[in-house]
Amino acid sequence: QKEVEQDPGPLSVPEGAIVSLNCTYSNSAFQYFMWYRQYSRKGPELLMYTYSSGNKEDGRFTAQVDKSSKYISLFIRDSQPSDSATYLCAMSDRDDKIIFGKGTRLHILP
Amino acid sequence: SAVISQKPSRDICQRGTSLTIQCQVDSQVTMMFWYRQQPGQSLTLIATANQGSEATYESGFVIDKFPISRPNLTFSTLTVSNMSPEDSSIYLCSVGGRFQNTEAFFGQGTRLTVV
Repeated sequence: QKEVEQDPGPLSVPEGAIVSLNCTYSNSAFQYFMWYRQYSRKGPELLMYTYSSGNKEDGRFTAQVDKSSKYISLFIRDSQPSDSATYLCAMSDRDDKIIFGKGTRLHILP
Repeated sequence: SAVISQKPSRDICQRGTSLTIQCQVDSQVTMMFWYRQQPGQSLTLIATANQGSEATYESGFVIDKFPISRPNLTFSTLTVSNMSPEDSSIYLCSVGGRFQNTEAFFGQGTRLTVV
């Protein structure tokens, strides 16, 4: 079982829809959880950074962490064509290296 | 957040040659990290570059193939040596995250194509 599993997509949704992106993981020691957005030919850009369980909201983005289920989610409300990108989940236990998912390609259809 | 400048942004190289990628950070950092992102794959950590000491390489990566320099607290280079087409990838410089209670930030990446 891989440490981090992420559906590669592509995921296509109409503009204005709510997008749900998810990752599962196997290492219960992970405490830090991150979501990155990566546009084509660009480096990953940090969207959300969460410590331990719970929810965090920033504008149209909400990150959820369920450590009991080893499951994290990123929700995008009122999706826009500019949200079309690859979204990477990432996690770590502070002193060990960060483990990334393979990324989900998201297409927002105008 | 840290601002990371990486160059070149892309290059096409002949097999058997070497390419050095530069990474400049706008603040002093203890550790800098080099990643590889192959098509359809997750980011993979190549090595950790510490100022004043040898870089620490992850399993599957060796210094002869990916020599790293870290001359000061704001700059690092990664060299991809004796390149083959299998080295075609995106190489990314990063700061933060590991050993620190901060998030990781990335440069814009270097897209390398080996022909």
